[in-house]
Amino acid sequence: EAGVAQSPRYKIIEKRQSVAFWCNPISGHATLYWYQQILGQGPKLLIQFQNNGVVDDSQLPKDRFSAERLKGVDSTLKIQPAKLEDSAVYLCASSLGAQGGGYTFGSGTRLTVV
Amino acid sequence: AQSVTQLGSHVSVSEGALVLLRCNYSSSVPPYLFWYVQYPNQGLQLLLKYTSAATLVKGINGFEAEFKKSETSFHLTKPSAHMSDAAEYFCAVSPSGGYQKVTFGTGTKLQVIP
Repeated sequence: EAGVAQSPRYKIIEKRQSVAFWCNPISGHATLYWYQQILGQGPKLLIQFQNNGVVDDSQLPKDRFSAERLKGVDSTLKIQPAKLEDSAVYLCASSLGAQGGGYTFGSGTRLTVV
Repeated sequence: AQSVTQLGSHVSVSEGALVLLRCNYSSSVPPYLFWYVQYPNQGLQLLLKYTSAATLVKGINGFEAEFKKSETSFHLTKPSAHMSDAAEYFCAVSPSGGYQKVTFGTGTKLQVIP
């Protein structure tokens, strides 16, 4: 089966610019997650979708980050305006359901804010 | 609330030696536990998971982990290290019921010395 697709792989922007990341989960996976992984740290959940509804966005900095999952399939994560501390790898993951399964991760988007 | 603590941010072993990566968890409800591996510039890949069945869990690439409730531990082991095992390993925990919110540890980088 095809994996979780993410684009772009790399992005370099200046602070205060905006950026968007795209994720296409595994077909049939209802649950989609965006994680932020800062260098030297473990992934931190930003937002979790169940189909096209938000289940958890408690750690999403809503003043600058937004995410949507229209039609319950692919998703976009946007940062506007970006700050230096947003430099990280943004990982998208999907899973079949809510319990017991591990995630399937995409390869991530490495964002560098200069 | 749930968390995991990975002891040792860097571990070095000789090729052919035992691999032991330590993980202790904290969870207010019965947990599900996971180990993921991350190779450079790639996303995370599920190695194995504990979901309240057998306490000794076997995963891919010869890895296994044992759930010890009395010690709140879920250490990852492999009898004989291979050069290809060099990567970063993440322990993770989620509640056993409801929507998954998986919390990751800070990771352990495994170096395999020839």
